[in-house]
Formats: sequence, C-alpha cells, structure tokens
Amino acid sequence: NAGVTQTPKFRILKIGQSMTLQCTQDMNHNYMYWYRQDPGMGLKLIYYSVGAGITDKGEVPNGYNVSRSTTEDFPLRLELAAPSQTSVYFCASSYSSPSGIYEQYFGPGTRLTVT
Amino acid sequence: AQTVTQSQPEMSVQEAETVTLSCTYDTSESDYYLFWYKQPPSRQMILVIRQEAYKQQNATENRFSVNFQKAAKSFSLKISDSQLGDAAMYFCAYSSNTGKLIFGQGTTLQVKP
Repeated sequence: NAGVTQTPKFRILKIGQSMTLQCTQDMNHNYMYWYRQDPGMGLKLIYYSVGAGITDKGEVPNGYNVSRSTTEDFPLRLELAAPSQTSVYFCASSYSSPSGIYEQYFGPGTRLTVT
Repeated sequence: AQTVTQSQPEMSVQEAETVTLSCTYDTSESDYYLFWYKQPPSRQMILVIRQEAYKQQNATENRFSVNFQKAAKSFSLKISDSQLGDAAMYFCAYSSNTGKLIFGQGTTLQVKP
C-alpha cells in the first residue's frame, strides 16, 4: 500500500496564481484532512472531510477550497495565492467508527513558496 | 476552544539516557484522544504513541511511554535509552471525537553521542 500520497512535492507560485494540491489515500479511510505547517510551528487544520461529499472548515480555511468526490481523493485548491500561504502542506487520513477515532496517517508534505 | 501547550522549545539528552517532554492541554470534554508525533528532518509525521482519555493505564510503545494525568490535563512523553535516531521535532496533539487534531508548538530534541 502507498498510504497517503501528495503531489507535487515542491512548488513556487507567483502572487495571484492558483493551483491545486493533490492528495490520495489507498487505505479506505473515511476521514481526510489538510494541514499547513509554518516554519518552527505545529500543524494547523485548514479543512477536513468525514466522507465523500462532506467537507468542513478547520482553523485556517481562508484562501483555500476543497472538494471530496471520492473516498480516495481530497484536493486542496489555492485561489489567488498570497505570500502568507507560503508553508508546508500536509494531507492526512484516518478511520473513524462508532467505537472511536484512529490515528491519522500523514502524506510526505508539499512545500509551497509564494513570491 | 481546546489548546495544546508544549513549554519546552528545545531539549537535549545524552545517548542511552532518558528524557521527558512536557505537554499540557485544555478541554472541557471528557472523551478525547492524545498523541505524540515525531517529525524528523525529512518532514514526515510519524505517530509515536496514542492515549485514549477514558483509559487510566498509561500507553507504552517499546522505549516510549507517557504519563497521562487527566485531572491535571498533562500528557508527558518519556523516551528511555535515547538513540541518535530519536533526534527530531516532537509534537503533542489533541483530538476530540471529530478526529480533528490540535497540535502544540513542538519540542526539538537533540541527542548527543
């Protein structure tokens, strides 16, 4: 199993450009998440999804959009990139059942620079 | 709102010795989960250990163990017999039943040979 994969690994954007960060998991997890990590800081939740067709905002959603059309994929869209969006982006997935929440598995991250 | 605080930005330990990383959290919920994640220079987030709040017994994974004090809202990580490969940033994280993780600021652990 590949686990959680993210593309691209690195990207440089100009201010005002748009892009989509791809995330795919092959573990049949129902929950998926997007986090950003600024230098020397912990991760902050951008958006999450509890299943296909269901998404919700996290702590820092402004400037981002998501969709979840399938269980496997959870792309993150950046519209009108700004320097404040320079960060490392992590996608994660987990399984949740009525008996509890299981640990999140993280992708390798995407380093994004906006100049 | 829930918060997670790691008050030690940096720690160092001699190889083969024991080190404890501190974490406190704030929540009004009674049912939740606590985690320690390791992030080496490769940036990969690696789960170290997991604790369910309803379990009184402290979680243990090989050389890693926690001291979970629910009343004090404290969740420290003890690393025994430290190895050079343990050098990394360590993050404490909290999750309610929604599954959303709230991370602390992280502690950089240096292991000296």
